Amino acid sequence: AQSVTQPDIHITVSEGASLELRCNYSYGATPYLFWYVQSPGQGLQLLLKYFSGDTLVQGIKGFEAEFKRSQSSFNLRKPSVHWSDAAEYFCAVGRGSGGGADGLTFGKGTHLIIQP
Amino acid sequence: DAGVIQSPRHEVTEMGQEVTLRCKPISGHNSLFWYRQTMMRGLELLIYFNNNVPIDDSGMPEDRFSAKMPNASFSTLKIQPSEPRDSAVYFCASRPGANVLTFGAGSRLTVL
Repeated sequence: AQSVTQPDIHITVSEGASLELRCNYSYGATPYLFWYVQSPGQGLQLLLKYFSGDTLVQGIKGFEAEFKRSQSSFNLRKPSVHWSDAAEYFCAVGRGSGGGADGLTFGKGTHLIIQP
Repeated sequence: DAGVIQSPRHEVTEMGQEVTLRCKPISGHNSLFWYRQTMMRGLELLIYFNNNVPIDDSGMPEDRFSAKMPNASFSTLKIQPSEPRDSAVYFCASRPGANVLTFGAGSRLTVL
């Protein structure tokens, strides 16, 4: 079965500093990978996705992620964070042989704190 | 596009009561998913529908939980009877033919 590991429960970053959130997945075939963000009291918003092709994908709000098959990783990055980036971030992998037809399996999330 | 609409946003009830959560997916999306979010277990897939038909309900925790999708624009998740351990945020998500889920704002359930 698919699984997603986000090793960092909390990360604190100073405003303006760079950010990298780690994500490792377990999946037998080529995975469909996603990053979602959840602000307090809100639903999940899609930041970016990887299905195939270029392993560096760009998303909304200045985020990007790189798929590394050899490391089974899909880390999320941002060169300079803003206070409004404080939120919970979830990495997810598509379930099932269709790469997501059966929904998504989520990691436990990383809580991002921004220091002024 | 109003997005995925869930109601109620907040529900407080007493143990043993019936709870019904509602979801209106985005028009044209043919798949609908119910997730539960708790601190301990994170986001868990409870059940999903394709073209109004339940495909996989293996994530439904107990017989106390049931879900229906009578038509393409409406789904319910029912808990009867409710227990304090059911307290969580319940999310509905829908998806068109592509693999991107769009989530609703969630229904926060508190069972006293």
